[in-house]
Amino acid sequence: GQQLNQSPQSMFIQEGEDVSMNCTSSSIFNTWLWYKQDPGEGPVLLIALYKAGELTSNGRLTAQFGTTRKDSFLNISASIPSDVGIYFCAGQENNDMRFGAGTRLTVKP
Amino acid sequence: ETGVTQTPRHLVMGMTNKKSLKCEQHLGHNAMYWYKQSAKKPLELMFVYSLEERVENNSVPSRFSPECPNSSHLFLHLHTLQPEDSALYLCASSRQTGNGYTFGSGTRLTVV
Repeated sequence: GQQLNQSPQSMFIQEGEDVSMNCTSSSIFNTWLWYKQDPGEGPVLLIALYKAGELTSNGRLTAQFGTTRKDSFLNISASIPSDVGIYFCAGQENNDMRFGAGTRLTVKP
Repeated sequence: ETGVTQTPRHLVMGMTNKKSLKCEQHLGHNAMYWYKQSAKKPLELMFVYSLEERVENNSVPSRFSPECPNSSHLFLHLHTLQPEDSALYLCASSRQTGNGYTFGSGTRLTVV
């Protein structure tokens, strides 16, 4: 099936820094989603993108749906300690949802 | 609380035990899923139910047996598991298959 390549696998940053992560696919998707998973919890939806080229913000988070429909990125500005967790991208095409392997974010105060 | 409730949160079982994981949602969703999450691996889809009918089974070993008695409840029955089955088991639901999912908090399973 379609594979999502998510990078980087992990990031160690200082509080206040900006963060960028991305997902690429060999096939197109009609929806891209970004989830965050806190330790000991299930993933929670952060942002959903439904149109190629779409740029959507949710507070300090900004995500874009790539124009080729094969990629998406997530930016976090001015990181804070509670941003710690694993961020997953997901691509949806028809009734199929695929997840990336996740980006583990550590924020040092 | 996301609207999808999983119990128990933690489970330790021996390889000869039989146990069940439970998932419950009252979001009015029609599709429910079981995922396995192992360290440093993508989420692995195990089972999909749509309107209480199983629509996908991703070559999951028969020691995992799902049950969906109604659109609000989903079970995963476990029998003679192996240590490599230790993982976080996540339940999710969605309005239709493939739509944005709402996940539960998961059951952390340890097989000893």
